[in-house]
Amino acid sequence: SQTIHQWPATLVQPVGSPLSLECTVEGTSNPNLYWYRQAAGRGLQLLFYSVGIGQISSEVPQNLSASRPQDRQFILSSKKLLLSDSGFYLCAWSVFGPFSSSLVYTFGSGTRLTVV
Amino acid sequence: GQQVMQIPQYQHVQEGEDFTTYCNSSTTLSNIQWYKQRPGGHPVFLIQLVKSGEVKKQKRLTFQFGEAKKNSSLHITATQTTDVGTYFCAGILPTENSGGSNYKLTFGKGTLLTVNP
Repeated sequence: SQTIHQWPATLVQPVGSPLSLECTVEGTSNPNLYWYRQAAGRGLQLLFYSVGIGQISSEVPQNLSASRPQDRQFILSSKKLLLSDSGFYLCAWSVFGPFSSSLVYTFGSGTRLTVV
Repeated sequence: GQQVMQIPQYQHVQEGEDFTTYCNSSTTLSNIQWYKQRPGGHPVFLIQLVKSGEVKKQKRLTFQFGEAKKNSSLHITATQTTDVGTYFCAGILPTENSGGSNYKLTFGKGTLLTVNP
């Protein structure tokens, strides 16, 4: 069965420090991968999505970047964190292909980032 | 751009009361999905609606997809404290420049449901 792993669960980082959050998927190949951010009590904001290795689409210009070095690995990074980067970061995967009826997002358990 | 709007943003009910959240899209959707996020947790897939006018039930939850495939609703009958959480609708649309070969979800902002025991 497919599983998605995301770590760390919580993170407290000082302003100006770098960030690296990792997400890996098991049990599937060539998934679509996504990074979302959720501010406290708010909706899901799509940050990046990837349909393949090295293919990254950015939805919102910001202080973050994403990379996909392997088929089932998705990394969210920042060179210098801002206070406004605090939030709940969620990785998700879905199938890739023309059948919209099979498109279900499976989310990781999330990383709660606090920038101080 | 493509938007999915969801109301209300918050809803507080007494245990046993009914609850409904509504979702509207600016464009016709391929399908619509509903997710639930418990406090402190991550969104979990509940159901997908595909056909125009479709109605599906999961115990006390009733999901509807509009005839024009532009709106949807989730109704909970006789809420319980276990229903607490944020309910998100998500519309499925083709990604731009994919020629219909790939799809992605656009989430509504969610409705936070709290239940007073």
